[in-house]
Amino acid sequence: DQQVKQNSPSLSVQEGRISILNCDYTNSMFDYFLWYKKYPAEGPTFLISISSIKDKNEDGRFTVFLNKSAKHLSLHIVPSQPGDSAVYFCAASAHRDDKIIFGKGTRLHILP
Amino acid sequence: DVKVTQSSRYLVKRTGEKVFLECVQDMDHENMFWYRQDPGLGLRLIYFSYDVKMKEKGDIPEGYSVSREKKERFSLILESASTNQTSMYLCASRVVMGVNTEAFFGQGTRLTVV
Repeated sequence: DQQVKQNSPSLSVQEGRISILNCDYTNSMFDYFLWYKKYPAEGPTFLISISSIKDKNEDGRFTVFLNKSAKHLSLHIVPSQPGDSAVYFCAASAHRDDKIIFGKGTRLHILP
Repeated sequence: DVKVTQSSRYLVKRTGEKVFLECVQDMDHENMFWYRQDPGLGLRLIYFSYDVKMKEKGDIPEGYSVSREKKERFSLILESASTNQTSMYLCASRVVMGVNTEAFFGQGTRLTVV
């Protein structure tokens, strides 16, 4: 049973507009959430994280929102740039010393 | 910068061979992970190590084992390679203490079993 779900396999967004990637989770024990970006033939790189005591975290063009009651988080990228075209993975962990569970990923295409 | 190094970028092995994938990190991280990435399936956890000589099965441990004799090195072993183990293998490490607890990944090993 999938504990971290990314229900959109792909998303296309115009350059300069906002990209919104969504993620749902089922395990209420998760208290730390991460977003990773991955290019082909490379390892994932960390983008941004949020702990369950917050509902928003911002880092430059990237903002993550957490809705604990809905068990939902989203990553906003504003403005979207061509280099943002990649696969984005949502991940979650029950605590800082526990396994990290990933979703299936969403492929983001930034259109010129 | 944290560096996680996987011993090979590309590997081709025969069915039935015993295969070792090596991963080394240089930041004294306690946690280490092995994942595999397959199209449409995302990153699936094979094994997780809390610390030296401590391990826990992930979601798909069948056909794999691991070894962590030293803190910096985490090895993934395919006991008898099969074609369904053809995949991209990704190693990661994470520090337990501190503000940030993200995992850092190596560059990946593309394994083909023929």
